[in-house]
Amino acid sequence: AQSVTQLGSHVSVSEGALVLLRCNYSSSVPPYLFWYVQYPNQGLQLLLKYTSAATLVKGINGFEAEFKKSETSFHLTKPSAHMSDAAEYFCAVSDRSDYKLSFGAGTTVTVRA
Amino acid sequence: SQTIHQWPATLVQPVGSPLSLECTVEGTSNPNLYWYRQAAGRGLQLLFYSVGIGQISSEVPQNLSASRPQDRQFILSSKKLLLSDSGFYLCAWSSAGGSYNSPLHFGNGTRLTVT
Repeated sequence: AQSVTQLGSHVSVSEGALVLLRCNYSSSVPPYLFWYVQYPNQGLQLLLKYTSAATLVKGINGFEAEFKKSETSFHLTKPSAHMSDAAEYFCAVSDRSDYKLSFGAGTTVTVRA
Repeated sequence: SQTIHQWPATLVQPVGSPLSLECTVEGTSNPNLYWYRQAAGRGLQLLFYSVGIGQISSEVPQNLSASRPQDRQFILSSKKLLLSDSGFYLCAWSSAGGSYNSPLHFGNGTRLTVT
């Protein structure tokens, strides 16, 4: 079965600094990978998804993620953090056999002024 | 455009009382529908999903059940709530019949507190 591990439950960055959120996946087949963002008391919004068309995926709000098969990773980055980036971020994986997604435990991002 | 409605936004219920959470989707036909539960620091746990009317798959044995009486309606129920049922419940939909890379689209969730 597929799964993802998000390293670090909390990340604190200064405004304008690089945001790096780590996600490693486990899947027996080439996976589909997703990043979602959740603001307080709201549902999740899709940031970006990897479907094997390109290893570097650009998403909304200036985020991007790179698929690295050799490292089984799909880390999320943003060059310059903004206060509005404060939220919880989830990595998710699908193993292409059904319509279910498995989510990581989430990483909460705090942005310091 | 497609929209998903989930209600109520917050709910406080005593132990042993019944539960009914409703979710409806507009602007699409025959969607895949999902119920997730989110507990603090534990990510999202898939509870149920449905690929069609009357078709429900249960992922985790528990005190809850789900039903899909209409194409775009998904209901989460319990006959008797437990304290452990407290959490943030999220309904989601995805496009059916397409690739397995179709993303999920989430409602705004229901915060359930069982007292």
